[in-house]
Amino acid sequence: GDSVTQMEGPVTLSEEAFLTINCTYTATGYPSLFWYVQYPGEGLQLLLKATKADDKGSNKGFEATYRKETTSFHLEKGSVQVSDSAVYFCALEAAGNKLTFGGGTRVLVKP
Amino acid sequence: DGGITQSPKYLFRKEGQNVTLSCEQNLNHDAMYWYRQDPGQGLRLIYYSQIVNDFQKGDIAEGYSVSREKKESFPLTVTSAQKNPTAFYLCASSPYRGDTDTQYFGPGTRLTVL
Repeated sequence: GDSVTQMEGPVTLSEEAFLTINCTYTATGYPSLFWYVQYPGEGLQLLLKATKADDKGSNKGFEATYRKETTSFHLEKGSVQVSDSAVYFCALEAAGNKLTFGGGTRVLVKP
Repeated sequence: DGGITQSPKYLFRKEGQNVTLSCEQNLNHDAMYWYRQDPGQGLRLIYYSQIVNDFQKGDIAEGYSVSREKKESFPLTVTSAQKNPTAFYLCASSPYRGDTDTQYFGPGTRLTVL
């Protein structure tokens, strides 16, 4: 079945550091790929998405490129802020609009 | 304001009691979803509904029930048959135009069984 694997956290960084969170997936067909962010005590917010190979999703300084050859969708940000501290979830959407989530990566940015 | 509301934010239940979690959306979305989140884990799909009066089981439906009598409402009942109900429950909706579509999430309900 479909699955998403993302790096375990927590990831601890200083402000203005470069952030990478790895995400790889297994799926039949050509799924859409998403990154969601969850701030403490809240629901999930869509951060970015990509619907086909080589698409790049971007939002709020975050970027991720859909790499079909490596089945990956790594999240990057060039200069993180304290306000980026959150849990980040990689997800794929296959048939029927159903999302499969990775386990989440907690990111802590220190001033 | 358009969005998804879940109530209550915190819910406490005694063992052996059923409890119903509310989810309402005013986005005119066709599809709605319920997920369960356990500490340090990703989300798992409980039930979903793509149209009024129809719903399907997700990956972990045992011990849960839902109804979809109105487009804007998708309540989840956690029954006494659910062996480990303490978790964070998230509701989502999407337009479901038959292809890829973004799911929008509510703020969640944290259920604790005492």
